[in-house]
Amino acid sequence: SQQGEEDPQALSIQEGENATMNCSYKTSINNLQWYRQNSGRGLVHLILIRSNEREKHSGRLRVTLDTSKKSSSLLITASRAADTASYFCATAPFNQAGTALIFGKGTTLSVSS
Amino acid sequence: NAGVTQTPKFRVLKTGQSMTLLCAQDMNHEYMYWYRQDPGMGLRLIHYSVGEGTTAKGEVPDGYNVSRLKKQNFLLGLESAAPSQTSVYFCASSYLPVGNTGELFFGEGSRLTVL
Repeated sequence: SQQGEEDPQALSIQEGENATMNCSYKTSINNLQWYRQNSGRGLVHLILIRSNEREKHSGRLRVTLDTSKKSSSLLITASRAADTASYFCATAPFNQAGTALIFGKGTTLSVSS
Repeated sequence: NAGVTQTPKFRVLKTGQSMTLLCAQDMNHEYMYWYRQDPGMGLRLIHYSVGEGTTAKGEVPDGYNVSRLKKQNFLLGLESAAPSQTSVYFCASSYLPVGNTGELFFGEGSRLTVL
């Protein structure tokens, strides 16, 4: 079964606005990662946050993690049309050596100019 | 630097036919993964490998087999294709295990249609 669930499933905003996507997961994790997928392409890693971290920044991206609520959020500030893509959270299950990331179903972001 | 390369990019099969998807990475990564992506389902793990000569089952392994005879290659086989295997298949690799902050590098995908 899938670990993460993103919310909302789809998001439409104007250029310059901020976009916030949320991810909830079920079991304890080592880290949580966010990926981006442009239409028809492979996924690209955006940012990773460890289970002992609460917030992390990378350029226009801000990720928060609340392990007590088993949730994370991805904020993209000052969105651009080029940010139009699907965004996935993925979790690394806790204390499982030699395992793989478990992905959520994704949020589709559409940024119009 | 090619990264992760998947072949073929597109394939149409008839029910019952067999085929192999090839994933090659040139980053000397130890860990490799096969996922499938279906509309509204996100990515689901089929099989993965933690090193040359090793493979392990993921969430949806039935109907697929894999082999990792060389470190740089990870093959995904369909012995008898079924329409339910129509999907986009993604291969990925990582230098570190995901539990130790390993990030995945993805190929561009292989779109398979089974008629």
